[in-house]
Amino acid sequence: QLQLQESGPGLVKPSETLSLTCTVSGGSISSSSLYWGLIRQPPGKGLEWIGSIYYSGSPYYNPSLKSRVTISVDTSKNQFSLNLRSVTAADTAVYYCARLSMVRTHAFDIWGQGTVVTVPS
Amino acid sequence: QSALTQPASVSGSPGQSITISCSGTSSDVGGYNYVSWYQQHPGKAPKVIIYDVSNRPSGVSNRFSGSTSGNTASLTISGLQAEDEADYYCSSFTPSSTLNWVFGGGTKLTVL
Repeated sequence: QLQLQESGPGLVKPSETLSLTCTVSGGSISSSSLYWGLIRQPPGKGLEWIGSIYYSGSPYYNPSLKSRVTISVDTSKNQFSLNLRSVTAADTAVYYCARLSMVRTHAFDIWGQGTVVTVPS
Repeated sequence: QSALTQPASVSGSPGQSITISCSGTSSDVGGYNYVSWYQQHPGKAPKVIIYDVSNRPSGVSNRFSGSTSGNTASLTISGLQAEDEADYYCSSFTPSSTLNWVFGGGTKLTVL
Protein backbone atom coordinates (compact mmCIF):
# COMPACT_ATOMS: atom_id res chain seq x y z
CA GLN A 1 0.00 0.00 0.00
CA LEU A 2 1.61 3.23 -1.16
CA GLN A 3 1.96 5.89 1.52
CA LEU A 4 3.13 9.48 1.58
CA GLN A 5 4.78 11.21 4.52
CA GLU A 6 5.49 14.91 4.75
CA SER A 7 8.36 16.32 6.76
CA GLY A 8 8.49 20.04 7.31
CA PRO A 9 10.01 22.71 9.52
CA GLY A 10 6.96 23.54 11.62
CA LEU A 11 7.92 27.19 11.95
CA VAL A 12 9.46 29.44 9.27
CA LYS A 13 10.40 33.08 9.75
CA PRO A 14 8.97 35.71 7.40
CA SER A 15 11.01 36.27 4.22
CA GLU A 16 12.78 32.91 4.60
CA THR A 17 12.34 29.75 2.53
CA LEU A 18 9.94 26.97 3.45
CA SER A 19 11.44 23.58 2.60
CA LEU A 20 9.31 20.47 2.77
CA THR A 21 9.97 16.88 1.75
CA CYS A 22 7.51 14.15 0.80
CA THR A 23 8.67 10.56 1.15
CA VAL A 24 6.97 7.86 -0.90
CA SER A 25 6.87 4.37 0.61
CA GLY A 26 5.32 1.14 -0.61
CA GLY A 27 5.88 2.09 -4.24
CA SER A 28 8.21 3.83 -6.65
CA ILE A 29 8.18 7.53 -7.34
CA SER A 30 9.35 6.60 -10.84
CA SER A 31 6.20 4.68 -11.76
CA SER A 32 4.86 5.60 -15.16
CA SER A 33 1.71 7.72 -15.37
CA LEU A 34 2.03 8.92 -11.79
CA TYR A 35 2.52 12.55 -10.94
CA TRP A 36 3.19 13.89 -7.47
CA GLY A 37 1.45 16.93 -6.11
CA LEU A 38 1.56 19.46 -3.31
CA ILE A 39 -1.59 21.04 -1.93
CA ARG A 40 -2.00 23.38 1.02
CA GLN A 41 -4.84 24.44 3.27
CA PRO A 42 -4.68 27.65 5.33
CA PRO A 43 -6.38 27.48 8.74
CA GLY A 44 -10.15 27.34 8.31
CA LYS A 45 -9.91 27.69 4.55
CA GLY A 46 -10.07 25.55 1.43
CA LEU A 47 -7.56 23.57 -0.56
CA GLU A 48 -5.05 25.24 -2.88
CA TRP A 49 -3.05 23.35 -5.48
CA ILE A 50 0.62 24.39 -5.32
CA GLY A 51 2.09 22.28 -8.10
CA SER A 52 2.75 18.84 -9.54
CA ILE A 53 5.72 16.99 -10.96
CA TYR A 54 6.48 13.83 -12.94
CA TYR A 55 9.61 11.95 -11.94
CA SER A 56 11.31 12.67 -15.25
CA GLY A 57 9.57 15.83 -16.38
CA SER A 58 9.22 19.50 -15.67
CA PRO A 59 7.08 20.64 -12.77
CA TYR A 60 3.80 22.53 -13.12
CA TYR A 61 3.00 25.36 -10.76
CA ASN A 62 0.00 27.34 -9.63
CA PRO A 63 0.39 30.64 -11.50
CA SER A 64 -0.27 32.57 -8.29
CA LEU A 65 2.76 30.96 -6.61
CA LYS A 66 4.99 30.29 -9.60
CA SER A 67 7.47 33.09 -8.90
CA ARG A 68 8.26 31.69 -5.44
CA VAL A 69 7.94 27.91 -5.86
CA THR A 70 10.30 25.13 -6.85
CA ILE A 71 9.29 21.45 -6.81
CA SER A 72 11.88 18.75 -7.46
CA VAL A 73 12.21 14.96 -7.39
CA ASP A 74 14.99 12.79 -5.94
CA THR A 75 14.41 9.31 -7.36
CA SER A 76 17.32 7.84 -5.39
CA LYS A 77 15.53 8.70 -2.15
CA ASN A 78 11.99 8.17 -3.47
CA GLN A 79 11.19 11.73 -2.43
CA PHE A 80 9.91 14.95 -3.88
CA SER A 81 10.37 18.37 -2.34
CA LEU A 82 8.92 21.86 -2.15
CA ASN A 83 10.80 25.11 -1.73
CA LEU A 84 8.65 28.19 -1.19
CA ARG A 85 10.67 31.39 -1.03
CA SER A 86 9.99 34.71 0.68
CA VAL A 87 7.22 33.39 2.90
CA THR A 88 4.72 35.56 4.74
CA ALA A 89 2.00 34.85 7.27
CA ALA A 90 -0.30 34.11 4.33
CA ASP A 91 1.74 30.95 3.69
CA THR A 92 0.71 29.50 7.05
CA ALA A 93 -1.12 26.28 6.24
CA VAL A 94 -1.27 22.52 6.42
CA TYR A 95 0.82 21.27 3.51
CA TYR A 96 -0.15 17.96 1.91
CA CYS A 97 1.67 15.65 -0.46
CA ALA A 98 -0.49 13.63 -2.81
CA ARG A 99 -0.29 11.14 -5.64
CA LEU A 100 -1.84 12.24 -8.92
CA SER A 101 -2.75 9.40 -11.24
CA MET A 102 -3.06 10.73 -14.77
CA VAL A 103 -4.13 7.43 -16.28
CA ARG A 104 -6.50 5.71 -13.90
CA THR A 105 -8.27 8.39 -11.85
CA HIS A 106 -7.07 11.85 -12.97
CA ALA A 107 -7.31 12.77 -9.30
CA PHE A 108 -5.22 13.11 -6.19
CA ASP A 109 -5.96 9.60 -5.01
CA ILE A 110 -3.50 9.10 -2.15
CA TRP A 111 -2.66 11.81 0.39
CA GLY A 112 -0.17 12.20 3.18
CA GLN A 113 -1.39 13.13 6.64
CA GLY A 114 -0.23 16.72 6.18
CA THR A 115 2.28 18.87 8.02
CA VAL A 116 1.54 22.19 9.70
CA VAL A 117 3.75 25.11 8.74
CA THR A 118 3.45 28.38 10.59
CA VAL A 119 4.88 31.73 9.50
CA PRO A 120 4.46 34.27 12.29
CA SER A 121 3.28 37.73 11.40
CA GLN B 1 -6.96 30.71 -12.52
CA SER B 2 -9.96 31.16 -10.23
CA ALA B 3 -11.28 28.71 -7.70
CA LEU B 4 -14.38 26.75 -8.58
CA THR B 5 -17.55 28.01 -6.89
CA GLN B 6 -19.30 25.88 -4.28
CA PRO B 7 -21.99 26.76 -1.74
CA ALA B 8 -20.46 27.41 1.67
CA SER B 9 -22.83 25.04 3.42
CA VAL B 10 -25.60 22.54 2.90
CA SER B 11 -27.59 20.48 5.36
CA GLY B 12 -29.94 17.54 5.42
CA SER B 13 -31.54 15.04 7.74
CA PRO B 14 -30.53 11.40 8.00
CA GLY B 15 -31.92 9.40 5.12
CA GLN B 16 -32.41 12.41 2.88
CA SER B 17 -30.45 13.28 -0.27
CA ILE B 18 -28.44 16.42 -0.85
CA THR B 19 -26.62 17.85 -3.84
CA ILE B 20 -23.53 20.06 -3.81
CA SER B 21 -22.83 22.13 -6.90
CA CYS B 22 -19.45 23.15 -8.30
CA SER B 23 -19.46 25.91 -10.87
CA GLY B 24 -16.57 26.44 -13.24
CA THR B 25 -15.93 27.43 -16.82
CA SER B 26 -15.40 25.84 -20.21
CA SER B 27 -11.67 25.89 -19.41
CA ASP B 28 -12.06 23.48 -16.51
CA VAL B 29 -15.28 21.73 -15.44
CA GLY B 30 -16.96 22.14 -18.80
CA GLY B 31 -13.95 21.29 -20.88
CA TYR B 32 -12.69 18.03 -19.47
CA ASN B 33 -14.09 14.95 -17.75
CA TYR B 34 -11.48 15.27 -15.04
CA VAL B 35 -13.66 16.47 -12.17
CA SER B 36 -13.05 14.91 -8.78
CA TRP B 37 -14.64 15.28 -5.36
CA TYR B 38 -12.95 15.02 -1.97
CA GLN B 39 -14.34 14.43 1.50
CA GLN B 40 -12.48 15.90 4.47
CA HIS B 41 -13.30 15.23 8.10
CA PRO B 42 -11.93 17.65 10.74
CA GLY B 43 -8.22 17.25 11.29
CA LYS B 44 -7.90 14.66 8.54
CA ALA B 45 -6.46 14.65 5.04
CA PRO B 46 -8.90 14.83 2.12
CA LYS B 47 -10.07 11.56 0.58
CA VAL B 48 -11.15 11.19 -3.03
CA ILE B 49 -14.74 9.94 -3.33
CA ILE B 50 -15.45 10.67 -7.00
CA TYR B 51 -13.06 10.86 -9.95
CA ASP B 52 -13.54 11.50 -13.65
CA VAL B 53 -16.91 13.16 -12.94
CA SER B 54 -18.83 10.08 -11.85
CA ASN B 55 -16.53 7.19 -10.92
CA ARG B 56 -16.15 5.93 -7.38
CA PRO B 57 -12.88 4.51 -6.03
CA SER B 58 -13.04 1.04 -4.56
CA GLY B 59 -14.49 1.14 -1.07
CA VAL B 60 -16.51 4.34 -1.49
CA SER B 61 -20.21 3.94 -0.84
CA ASN B 62 -22.56 3.95 -3.82
CA ARG B 63 -24.55 6.59 -1.92
CA PHE B 64 -22.10 9.06 -3.46
CA SER B 65 -22.60 9.99 -7.10
CA GLY B 66 -21.30 12.68 -9.42
CA SER B 67 -22.37 14.32 -12.65
CA THR B 68 -21.82 17.38 -14.80
CA SER B 69 -24.02 19.66 -16.86
CA GLY B 70 -22.27 22.29 -18.91
CA ASN B 71 -19.80 24.12 -16.68
CA THR B 72 -21.30 22.83 -13.42
CA ALA B 73 -20.45 19.61 -11.62
CA SER B 74 -22.61 18.10 -8.90
CA LEU B 75 -22.09 15.69 -6.03
CA THR B 76 -25.17 13.90 -4.71
CA ILE B 77 -25.21 12.04 -1.43
CA SER B 78 -28.25 9.86 -0.92
CA GLY B 79 -29.41 8.24 2.29
CA LEU B 80 -27.54 10.75 4.43
CA GLN B 81 -25.74 9.31 7.42
CA ALA B 82 -24.18 11.02 10.40
CA GLU B 83 -20.68 10.09 9.23
CA ASP B 84 -21.23 12.03 6.01
CA GLU B 85 -20.90 15.27 7.97
CA ALA B 86 -17.69 16.72 6.59
CA ASP B 87 -16.27 19.28 4.19
CA TYR B 88 -16.50 18.49 0.48
CA TYR B 89 -14.28 19.91 -2.24
CA CYS B 90 -14.53 19.66 -6.00
CA SER B 91 -11.50 19.84 -8.24
CA SER B 92 -10.89 20.04 -11.96
CA PHE B 93 -8.07 19.73 -14.41
CA THR B 94 -7.52 23.02 -16.23
CA PRO B 95 -4.63 22.87 -18.67
CA SER B 96 -4.66 26.43 -20.02
CA SER B 97 -0.99 27.08 -20.69
CA THR B 98 0.28 24.45 -18.27
CA LEU B 99 -1.10 21.39 -16.56
CA ASN B 100 -3.02 23.07 -13.76
CA TRP B 101 -5.49 21.89 -11.19
CA VAL B 102 -8.06 24.02 -9.41
CA PHE B 103 -10.16 23.35 -6.31
CA GLY B 104 -13.50 24.66 -5.20
CA GLY B 105 -13.81 26.68 -2.01
CA GLY B 106 -15.39 23.79 -0.14
CA THR B 107 -18.86 23.01 1.22
CA LYS B 108 -19.62 22.17 4.84
CA LEU B 109 -22.24 19.42 5.04
CA THR B 110 -24.21 19.30 8.25
CA VAL B 111 -26.35 16.26 9.01
CA LEU B 112 -29.18 17.53 11.18
